[in-house]
Amino acid sequence: EVQLVESGGGLVQPGGSLRLSCAASGFTFSTYWMSWVRQAPGKGLEWVANIKQDGSEKYFVDSLKGRFTISRDNAKNSLYLQMNSLRAEDTAVYYCARGLFWGPGYYYMDVWGKGTTVTVSS
Amino acid sequence: DIQMTQSPSSLSASVGDRVTITCRASQSISSYLNWYQQKPGKAPKLLIYAASGLQSGVPSRFSGSGSGTDFTLTISSLQPEDFATYYCQQSYSNPQTFGPGTKVDIK
Repeated sequence: EVQLVESGGGLVQPGGSLRLSCAASGFTFSTYWMSWVRQAPGKGLEWVANIKQDGSEKYFVDSLKGRFTISRDNAKNSLYLQMNSLRAEDTAVYYCARGLFWGPGYYYMDVWGKGTTVTVSS
Repeated sequence: DIQMTQSPSSLSASVGDRVTITCRASQSISSYLNWYQQKPGKAPKLLIYAASGLQSGVPSRFSGSGSGTDFTLTISSLQPEDFATYYCQQSYSNPQTFGPGTKVDIK
C-alpha cells in the first residue's frame, strides 16, 4: 500500500525549532518529487515547498525562505522539513505529498499523508 | 506569485444536483490546474489533474475543464459523500498556489 506518514509535530514556543519527518512506503521514493503543504486552523491549503528526486532542486514559498528547509534521505525513504524561528502564524497541520509530473510537465500531488500538527505558542 | 480565486466560496446543494465550481488564475496558466477535495479532519484528495484529467479511482461524475485563466470543476450528480471543500491549485510556476476553497454542504 502506498503510504506517507508524517511525524515530529507538537507544541513549540515562538522562536523555537522543529523538524518534521515524512516516512514513505509502498512506492519507489527516490523516483518522485515530494512536497509539503500546510493548513492553518480553519483556513485553506498553503503550498510550502517541494524537492526533486535527488534533492538537487528545491522550491519554497517566498514567505518561508530562510526559516524553513526541505530535505530528503532516499536511503531512508524519508522527507524532512526543518522549521526554525517559528512564529504563531506557522501553527498548522503539515502534510507531505507525493508529486508527479505528467505529459509536458503538469505537476500534481497524488498521495498525501494524514498530516502532523504544529502549534507555536508560549 | 499567481493568485487563484474560486467562486462561490460556499454553496448549498441537494443530492442529485449538478454542481459547478469556478477557479480563476491571475495570469494564464495553460492547463496547469489541479482540483482537490478535502473533508473535515482529513487530508486533501486529488480529483482532477492538468485541468481535465480524471485521477484514477475518482468517480466519473467529477469533471474538469478550462485553460488559460478560467477553469471549472463539475459534479454531474451530487452524492452524499461529495459534501466537502474543494480547492484548485496551479502548478504552472513556483510558488504553487491554491485557491481559497469552495465548501459544498447539504441544502
